[in-house]
Amino acid sequence: NAGVTQTPKFRVLKTGQSMTLLCAQDMNHEYMYWYRQDPGMGLRLIHYSVGEGTTAKGEVPDGYNVSRLKKQNFLLGLESAAPSQTSVYFCASSGASISYGYTFGSGTRLTVV
Amino acid sequence: KQEVTQIPAALSVPEGENLVLNCSFTDSAIYNLQWFRQDPGKGLTSLLLIQSSQREQTSGRLNASLDKSSGRSTLYIAASQPGDSATYLCAVRNDYKLSFGAGTTVTVRA
Repeated sequence: NAGVTQTPKFRVLKTGQSMTLLCAQDMNHEYMYWYRQDPGMGLRLIHYSVGEGTTAKGEVPDGYNVSRLKKQNFLLGLESAAPSQTSVYFCASSGASISYGYTFGSGTRLTVV
Repeated sequence: KQEVTQIPAALSVPEGENLVLNCSFTDSAIYNLQWFRQDPGKGLTSLLLIQSSQREQTSGRLNASLDKSSGRSTLYIAASQPGDSATYLCAVRNDYKLSFGAGTTVTVRA
C-alpha cells in the first residue's frame, strides 16, 4: 500500500522561479490537504480540497495555488517562489466520514534561495 | 478558531519510565483526535485515532484518553524505550480541518 506519495522529496529553487508539488493517494479518499511545517510554527494548513474539482483556502494560502483535477491527485503550485516559502510541505488525505483519521505523505523539503 | 496546546514542549526520561504527554484544545466540538509521531526529518506516522464518542484507545504500550467536554487528551507510553524518542503531535478534527499542537519532543535515555 503506497498511501500518500509526494514528489519531489527535495528541491532548491531560486527566488522568482515556479514549481509544482505533486501529491497522489491510492486510498480513494475524498479530502486532500497541503500543510507547511516550520520550526516554532507547527503545521499550518495552506489549501484543501473536499472533492475532485473543488479547492478552498486554509490558514496561509498566499503565494500558493492548488488544483484537484483528479480525485487521487492534489497539486500545489508556487508561481513566484520567495525565501519565506522555504519549508517542509506535507500532503494529507482523509475519507469523507467524520470517523476517518488523516494519512500523511513523507514530505517535500523546499529551499528557496 | 481551534487552538491546540501541548505540554510539556520537551521531555527527557530514563529508559523504562512511563511517559505522559498532554494535549488541550479550545473548541470541544471535535469529530476525532489523532496522535502522531514524527522522527527528525521524517513524515507523520499515525499512532492512535480516538473518535469523539470514545473515552480511550489503546495500541500495545500506547494508551490515549479523551475528555471532550474539558478539551483534554493524554497519551501514555508505558515502559519507554530509546526507540520512543521522537516528537509527538496531537491533532483535532473539526469539520474538514485538522488543527495541530506544536508537539512534545521526547528523549528516552538508555
